Amino acid sequence: DTEVTQTPKHLVMGMTNKKSLKCEQHMGHRAMYWYKQKAKKPPELMFVYSYEKLSINESVPSRFSPECPNSSLLNLHLHALQPEDSALYLCASSQEWTSGVHEQYFGPGTRLTVT
Amino acid sequence: AQRVTQPEKLLSVFKGAPVELKCNYSYSGSPELFWYVQYSRQRLQLLLRHISRESIKGFTADLNKGETSFHLKKPFAQEEDSAMYYCALSRNTGKLIFGQGTTLQVKP
Repeated sequence: DTEVTQTPKHLVMGMTNKKSLKCEQHMGHRAMYWYKQKAKKPPELMFVYSYEKLSINESVPSRFSPECPNSSLLNLHLHALQPEDSALYLCASSQEWTSGVHEQYFGPGTRLTVT
Repeated sequence: AQRVTQPEKLLSVFKGAPVELKCNYSYSGSPELFWYVQYSRQRLQLLLRHISRESIKGFTADLNKGETSFHLKKPFAQEEDSAMYYCALSRNTGKLIFGQGTTLQVKP
């Protein structure tokens, strides 16, 4: 299995809701990533996990809370979001970088709309 | 500071014409550079990385350290090449730094 899967594909939530995005990979990758992508813009890195530990937090607001319950799963918990948080949220995975630089494999994304 | 610059937002060519998508970078160490492509309604996927020196779908890219460039080239564009192309630089922390992207439009 050489794919990164993400659920749900689409999500509409109100500003007071709590929801979660899910990402899964079975390629044995030990690095996983969350990105935010606005229309016609490049992905912006949010979080990086290495061996299930948070390695990079790009000063993301606390209304976004990542979780890596095991080496195959990555979640992004959402609470009290703002309309400007509406975007495509991408998950990616790769081999861990201490063994060299490796390609990141991207999921199809979750299209999030905050109303 | 590490930065990737793609000077063209849009590149429009006719089918069969040569294509060159420009990418310049600034990085103090030895760069690892990639081209990623995003076709309409498809996921972002790797097209090329500089260390592999492969040709994928007819595209090639050469790292020029003197000019700090990693331009993507194809001698004869096809309509199916129409997509958004991102040049990206990897740091050894796992972080990918993307350029702003160039939309390639290949007209029939």
